[in-house]
Amino acid sequence: EADIYQTPRYLVIGTGKKITLECSQTMGHDKMYWYQQDPGMELHLIHYSYGVNSTEKGDLSSESTVSRIRTEHFPLTLESARPSHTSQYLCASSELAGGSYNEQFFGPGTRLTVL
Amino acid sequence: GENVEQHPSTLSVQEGDSAVIKCTYSDSASNYFPWYKQELGKRPQLIIDIRSNVGEKKDQRIAVTLNKTAKHFSLHITETQPEDSAVYFCAASYNTNAGKSTFGDGTTLTVKP
Repeated sequence: EADIYQTPRYLVIGTGKKITLECSQTMGHDKMYWYQQDPGMELHLIHYSYGVNSTEKGDLSSESTVSRIRTEHFPLTLESARPSHTSQYLCASSELAGGSYNEQFFGPGTRLTVL
Repeated sequence: GENVEQHPSTLSVQEGDSAVIKCTYSDSASNYFPWYKQELGKRPQLIIDIRSNVGEKKDQRIAVTLNKTAKHFSLHITETQPEDSAVYFCAASYNTNAGKSTFGDGTTLTVKP
């Protein structure tokens, strides 16, 4: 079944650790996004990608980095985690069909806690 | 860049009443306006969307209206049910913005039985 997968779903780590949040989609979409969201709060776009080898920074400044080596895979990396990074991270994807944008499909999220 | 404002931030209604959430946007080039529903602990999901070439779209109990001149769009939910309780997000995007949607801050809707 076509879907967006995120791992891990929950992560608790210590300050200073390097972490990578995984996101994979089997939707066949070119565009992928990373959002940061505190529970029930606004969605902050931190990174997005048009396709392979394309990455752009979003509206919210982030100390994370992303890569897009394969269409279906869009991992997010924090080189040195800090307590201020504690949040939920949502991955999403969408297709650009006929020059028009369509809905974004979201993954289940990774809830990150940095101690 | 695009700026989307959403009101109200919280909304409480009695079951069976209607609920209206309003959003305004700043960039007249925006031409796609989706609404997402996020239930507690779950991922956001699209419930309805509208493009700038139409003024209104309806799907059962939910409808969206768009006023391009005033640059605002609204979500209408009729005959609300407890399962409508969730956070609702509006968004705006345009073709030349290469994939970015700007989201509103969200409205927490509570439907009291």
